[in-house]
Amino acid sequence: GAVVSQHPSWVICKSGTSVKIECRSLDFQATTMFWYRQFPKQSLMLMATSNEGSKATYEQGVEKDKFLINHASLTLSTLTVTSAHPEDSSFYICSAPDPSGSPFFGPGTRLTVL
Amino acid sequence: DAKTTQPTSMDCAEGRAANLPCNHSTISGNEYVYWYRQIHSQGPQYIIHGLKNNETNEMASLIITEDRKSSTLILPHATLRDTAVYYCIVTEAAGNKLTFGGGTRVLVKP
Repeated sequence: GAVVSQHPSWVICKSGTSVKIECRSLDFQATTMFWYRQFPKQSLMLMATSNEGSKATYEQGVEKDKFLINHASLTLSTLTVTSAHPEDSSFYICSAPDPSGSPFFGPGTRLTVL
Repeated sequence: DAKTTQPTSMDCAEGRAANLPCNHSTISGNEYVYWYRQIHSQGPQYIIHGLKNNETNEMASLIITEDRKSSTLILPHATLRDTAVYYCIVTEAAGNKLTFGGGTRVLVKP
């Protein structure tokens, strides 16, 4: 199947700093990518849709100024958590649809904010 | 809200077939049934998807009822590495966003 990578796989940062997470489609191009967040023992929750060449679309309740999304190329979307706080600690996962339209997920990024 | 209903958990014996049910009674004609699984601390892994016909690949089989209101994922010979949370999701084609429900926590026992 299609391969989606994320970097870093885990990150620990101090409260108030910003963290950037990258999502790459390795063997296909994706005009749309999706960012999810998963808290412990919960299911994945969609945060936003990343659109190549245009603004991201955010789900209700997700602060666009806090979670900055940039889809600068057909293989790369980035999620920046600005001024991170402990409550932002979570597992962040991206997905991208392969050429047939089936979504494939990255391995996830574990963010811990101290 | 998720459009699917799955049992919260189920156990199955190693080497035996695991049958995972999913109800999606409000599915519309252009929506596909997708199955993913998530092993602890990893991203969801694509398993299989279908529209109307039954599907089979190297991982599993997907049986969709004729009225499309329910489906069953079959793992033909469960192994300990199949222990995971399995998600059944309905979505329109062409890479739409996915709405995850609670999934079924499958424990494969020796």
